[in-house]
Amino acid sequence: EPEVTQTPSHQVTQMGQEVILRCVPISNHLYFYWYRQILGQKVEFLVSFYNNEISEKSEIFDDQFSVERPDGSNFTLKIRSTKLEDSAMYFCASSGLAGGTYEQYFGPGTRLTVT
Amino acid sequence: LAKTTQPISMDSYEGQEVNITCSHNNIATNDYITWYQQFPSQGPRFIIQGYKTKVTNEVASLFIPADRKSSTLSLPRVSLSDTAVYYCLGGRRSQGNLIFGKGTKLSVKP
Repeated sequence: EPEVTQTPSHQVTQMGQEVILRCVPISNHLYFYWYRQILGQKVEFLVSFYNNEISEKSEIFDDQFSVERPDGSNFTLKIRSTKLEDSAMYFCASSGLAGGTYEQYFGPGTRLTVT
Repeated sequence: LAKTTQPISMDSYEGQEVNITCSHNNIATNDYITWYQQFPSQGPRFIIQGYKTKVTNEVASLFIPADRKSSTLSLPRVSLSDTAVYYCLGGRRSQGNLIFGKGTKLSVKP
């Protein structure tokens, strides 16, 4: 069964540093998402991406965040200057069709620890 | 966007059928109900989706009554590996993002 993969599984960084989280969505999917989950809290939507541009973003996704699809397979989330409160599990997801009613496939996540 | 309410936690024993109910009183005409499952330290996983009446797949059944103000996820004969958090989500086809609540933490005991 095809799956979404994410690297690294765990990233430790110092406050103020830039991090890039990487994802390889399912190959024939067209819609890509990033979510985050702070420990013990609910999963929160960050951004959706389609046709090489952001289609929707939440209030969390401020100027410190950016997304990119640099080639035909990778989808990245960059945090420019990390803060302690960015520590969370970051999940990438993809879907073949648009809309919350369509199944989104989630990756295993990257645990980001900001010290 | 349908606001959903579900129990915070439920306990069950292996082999039992588990029914998790979700309330969505303000569900809109175009909203679908979708359930996701999440194991600790893993990403959510789609279980089932429905609009009305009953939907069944190899994992679960979803019952949505005619007024669509609630829905029930039914897991037949649960095992220890079904211990997870279950999320009920409402959303329209045009909505790209998933809005997760706190979910129902199901604990299955031997």
